[in-house]
Amino acid sequence: KQEVTQIPAALSVPEGENLVLNCSFTDSAIYNLQWFRQDPGKGLTSLLLIQSSQREQTSGRLNASLDKSSGRSTLYIAASQPGDSATYLCAVIIGGNKLVFGAGTILRVKS
Amino acid sequence: GAGVSQSPSNKVTEKGKDVELRCDPISGHTALYWYRQSLGQGLEFLIYFQGNSAPDKSGLPSDRFSAERTGGSVSTLTIQRTQQEDSAVYLCASSLTGVFTDTQYFGPGTRLTVL
Repeated sequence: KQEVTQIPAALSVPEGENLVLNCSFTDSAIYNLQWFRQDPGKGLTSLLLIQSSQREQTSGRLNASLDKSSGRSTLYIAASQPGDSATYLCAVIIGGNKLVFGAGTILRVKS
Repeated sequence: GAGVSQSPSNKVTEKGKDVELRCDPISGHTALYWYRQSLGQGLEFLIYFQGNSAPDKSGLPSDRFSAERTGGSVSTLTIQRTQQEDSAVYLCASSLTGVFTDTQYFGPGTRLTVL
């Protein structure tokens, strides 16, 4: 059974700091990996999707990497801002198009 | 265009009652997914529709849960004889074709509270 783990569970940083969120998965037979953010009381917003054949994806201040063989992904956020405060979720797509989610990292960026 | 919408946004019900949750996917999206987010379990897959068919229902927790999709668009998730452990946020998502390369776009969710 695929399990997704995210570390740390919570993170508090001062504004402007660069930070890394970690995601690991137990079964490397994934189709892709997706990073989402979730704001309180709201749905999920897709940030980046990395296909299994890719190593990384970038969007603005966000960069996500994927090492499928070791079962790891990282989300790098550059020059963090208070507006980045949210819960960040990592999910992998396995057979049947279902997303398997990690428990998330709660990020707080202090101004 | 509009994103995925869900209704109601909040639902409070008494134990034993039936509830219906609605999802309107992004227009033109053929794939639709239901997930559940609860405190103890995190975010879990429930069911996946391709058109009006559900090729994967493996996440439905019991036979009290059912879902249908009509016209390749709107979907309804029905929970019969609700229990307190059904309390959660129910999220719906859609994607363009259902191919694994597609991004899934999520609605705001329905928060269900069973008293």
